[in-house]
Amino acid sequence: DSGVTQTPKHLITATGQRVTLRCSPRSGDLSVYWYQQSLDQGLQFLIQYYNGEERAKGNILERFSAQQFPDLHSELNLSSLELGDSALYFCASSVGSRLSYEQYFGPGTRLTVT
Amino acid sequence: TQLLEQSPQFLSIQEGENLTVYCNSSSVFSSLQWYRQEPGEGPVLLVTVVTGGEVKKLKRLTFQFGDARKDSSLHITAAQPGDTGLYLCAGFYNKFYFGSGTKLNVKP
Repeated sequence: DSGVTQTPKHLITATGQRVTLRCSPRSGDLSVYWYQQSLDQGLQFLIQYYNGEERAKGNILERFSAQQFPDLHSELNLSSLELGDSALYFCASSVGSRLSYEQYFGPGTRLTVT
Repeated sequence: TQLLEQSPQFLSIQEGENLTVYCNSSSVFSSLQWYRQEPGEGPVLLVTVVTGGEVKKLKRLTFQFGDARKDSSLHITAAQPGDTGLYLCAGFYNKFYFGSGTKLNVKP
């Protein structure tokens, strides 16, 4: 158990809908990272927040957004969902702000868009 | 196109055999990490290497970072069924780039 929690574990929704994924980092970690893992693209970095502020952006689509709240939990919002958004979404956390810090991954949310 | 290429993509071996997984790039990374991921779970960090030529050992696993910090290898001695999983390398260059992974199956 990494100490990172993610909810829900599974999510099934239709194209065009909007969903919110939630992540709670390990106790004491200030950085939260979001990743997407699909069969054809592997693990792709989406975005990083550090202590409530956006710190780095990766391959995040404009239809996706995220935020980190004062209690350090984070939410990833996915809108206008398409079939290709079906994937595993992972949250990771680390103690520091630099992307090179060791990251601890949560169990993931499996999103299925039908 | 992946910045980090892992090989082989799939590996199925018998318990007790040795194996090596490779992680190659044309880019220089300031650090490189190896993760192991089991189905339905998140990747679990195994090791971080930061110095060119660095070798780290974790029980039966030996990790090496290339001298030029462009490549890495993971060697497993006397593989066991519990080693089965997806092995991912991740290089840090402004952000983390993950390889596509090596699926290892160790048969009893």
